[in-house]
Amino acid sequence: NAGVTQTPKFQVLKTGQSMTLQCAQDMNHNSMYWYRQDPGMGLRLIYYSASEGTTDKGEVPNGYNVSRLNKREFSLRLESAAPSQTSVYFCASRATEQPQHFGDGTRLSIL
Amino acid sequence: GENVEQHPSTLSVQEGDSAVIKCTYSDSASNYFPWYKQELGKGPQLIIDIRSNVGEKKDQRIAVTLNKTAKHFSLHITETQPEDSAVYFCAARLSGNTPLVFGKGTRLSVIA
Repeated sequence: NAGVTQTPKFQVLKTGQSMTLQCAQDMNHNSMYWYRQDPGMGLRLIYYSASEGTTDKGEVPNGYNVSRLNKREFSLRLESAAPSQTSVYFCASRATEQPQHFGDGTRLSIL
Repeated sequence: GENVEQHPSTLSVQEGDSAVIKCTYSDSASNYFPWYKQELGKGPQLIIDIRSNVGEKKDQRIAVTLNKTAKHFSLHITETQPEDSAVYFCAARLSGNTPLVFGKGTRLSVIA
C-alpha cells in the first residue's frame, strides 16, 4: 500500500540551484496538491491540480512551478532556490469529494 | 477566500484527561471539515472528518462537533494517552475540487 510517495526525503541545495521534487500516487486520484510547512504557519498550498491537464496557483506560488505529468505524478520545481524556500514540502492527493491523503514529505534546506 | 483559525497553538494535558481543540472558519459555504494528526517526521494523517449535514461524529476516543451557525468546529479527545501527543490540524473546504484550507495547528502533549 504505497499511497502517496515523495522523493527525495531530504535535500540540501545552494542558493540559485534548481531542483524538482517528485510525487506519485497509486490510488487513481484526480486531484493532487503541493503544500509547504513552516514552523507556526501550518500547511500552505503552493499549487494544485484538480484533474490531469490542469494546474492552479495556491496561496504561496511565487518561486515555484508544477507539472502534472500524468494522472499519477505531480512534480514541483524550484528554478532558482532561495533560503526562504527552506521548508518541508508535502504532496497530497484525493478523489472528488473524498478525504485527502498526504505523503511523508521532503525536507529541503537551502544554504 | 476561506480562512481557518485554530486554538490553542499548544496544549498540555495529563494522561487520562480530555483535550479539546477549536477551529473557526469564515466561508459559510464550506461543507467539509477534516482533522489531521501529524507525528514527528511524518505527513498528516486523517483521523476524523465531518460534513455540514451532521452535527457530531464519534470514533472511539475522538469526536468532532460542528456548529454551522457560529461557524466553528471542535475536536474532542477523551482518556488521552501518551501516543496522542502530536500536532493536530483542522481544515475546511467547499464542495467539488476546491483545496482544503488548514488551520495553523495545535501541538498536543500528553504527560504521563
